[in-house]
Amino acid sequence: DVKVTQSSRYLVKRTGEKVFLECVQDMDHENMFWYRQDPGLGLRLIYFSYDVKMKEKGDIPEGYSVSREKKERFSLILESASTNQTSMYLCASSFEYRSKRQPQHFGDGTRLSIL
Amino acid sequence: AQTVTQSQPEMSVQEAETVTLSCTYDTSENNYYLFWYKQPPSRQMILVIRQEAYKQQNATENRFSVNFQKAAKSFSLKISDSQLGDTAMYFCAFMKLTRGNTGKLIFGQGTTLQVKP
Repeated sequence: DVKVTQSSRYLVKRTGEKVFLECVQDMDHENMFWYRQDPGLGLRLIYFSYDVKMKEKGDIPEGYSVSREKKERFSLILESASTNQTSMYLCASSFEYRSKRQPQHFGDGTRLSIL
Repeated sequence: AQTVTQSQPEMSVQEAETVTLSCTYDTSENNYYLFWYKQPPSRQMILVIRQEAYKQQNATENRFSVNFQKAAKSFSLKISDSQLGDTAMYFCAFMKLTRGNTGKLIFGQGTTLQVKP
């Protein structure tokens, strides 16, 4: 089974702090994604990466950055945390098999509170 | 741009009965995938079922089946013989299949389903 591991289930930080959320997958997937999940809004894509050192903005990238130095690891960075970034953050990974994109596999999520 | 709409924020069903969750989407694409994902309380999101748009036959996975109406852009999920373990939030999601797309998903707002004993 695919394993997508997020470093923390719960995290509490203060306004203005630099926050790192880590995600690791163990299946050599090319694609990795960061979403935030908010009630009534579903999941919204923040950033994604299709290869090492490659990244693309999703639908809501403002206030976030990402890093992918190794294929298995994709980090989400809140440069200066604000209270409106309090949310559940989900990491996912996927791959292509015979030119067909496969479903995304998700981590358990990190519930981040910014005080 | 593509959008996915789930108009039922919450639903409930008695154990062993059948329930249908609605999903509509908007796209100008002809080739795409549609998915239903399940997120149990405090647990990981998992894939329930997938439908490829070029296939006319509705996908089925055990007690889960879809009613895919391409012209109407509708993709509903039917859960038969509901079980307590089906209690979860369910998300409908859309994925384009055009070149250069890395498999980004566009999600609906989610439907919270409670199965009652």
